[in-house]
Amino acid sequence: DGGITQSPKYLFRKEGQNVTLSCEQNLNHDAMYWYRQDPGQGLRLIYYSQIVNDFQKGDIAEGYSVSREKKESFPLTVTSAQKNPTAFYLCASSRGQDGTDTQYFGPGTRLTVL
Amino acid sequence: GQQLNQSPQSMFIQEGEDVSMNCTSSSIFNTWLWYKQDPGEGPVLLIALYKAGELTSNGRLTAQFGITRKDSFLNISASIPSDVGIYFCAGPGGNAGNMLTFGGGTRLMVKP
Repeated sequence: DGGITQSPKYLFRKEGQNVTLSCEQNLNHDAMYWYRQDPGQGLRLIYYSQIVNDFQKGDIAEGYSVSREKKESFPLTVTSAQKNPTAFYLCASSRGQDGTDTQYFGPGTRLTVL
Repeated sequence: GQQLNQSPQSMFIQEGEDVSMNCTSSSIFNTWLWYKQDPGEGPVLLIALYKAGELTSNGRLTAQFGITRKDSFLNISASIPSDVGIYFCAGPGGNAGNMLTFGGGTRLMVKP
C-alpha cells in the first residue's frame, strides 16, 4: 500500500532532551512537510522540503530541525530549545514541488515532554 | 500572511441532521481543499475545488467554491456518528512561500 507513515504514534521525553520524529512516504512525492497541531487549533507549518537535500523554514521553525537526505524520508528533530514541545505532530507530502498541491497526511505522532 | 476563518468553530448536532460550515478569506484563493481529521489521526482529503462557482459532491458531502473566490462551503447531509471529527479548509498562500494555509477547523459532534 502507498502512503505516509509516522513513528512512533506516542512519544514521551524528559525536558531538555532532543527527540527525532520519523516520517516516511512511498508515494514518490517530491515535497514533504511538518506541521504542529495544538489542542483545539489548526495546523501550523514547521518546515517543508520541496526536493532532496533542500528544506525551508515554515511559520514556526524555531526549536526544530530537519533533514532530507532521501526522497522518501523527512525526519523532524525537536530540540531542547523548543520551549513548548508537547503537541501533535503531522507529516505530509505532495506530488509536485508547488506548495499548493494537495497534501496527504500521515497518522501523526503525539509528543509529550515531561 | 493570509488567514482562513472557519465557522462555526464547533457544532453539536443530532444524528440525521444536515450540517453546513464555511471558510472565508480576505484574499482570493485559486484552490480550496476540505479535509477531515478523525480524533488522534491525520487529516484526510475530502474534496478539492479548483474553479470559482464549482460545486462538487463526494457521497453525502457537497462543497462549493465561492464566486468571489474568497469563500467556500461544505455541507454534510443526513449526518451519522462517524462524521464526528474536525473539518479543515485549506488553500494556497501564507507566510512561508506559497504553501497551503489551513483554517482553524470546525469540530463536529454528532449525538446518536
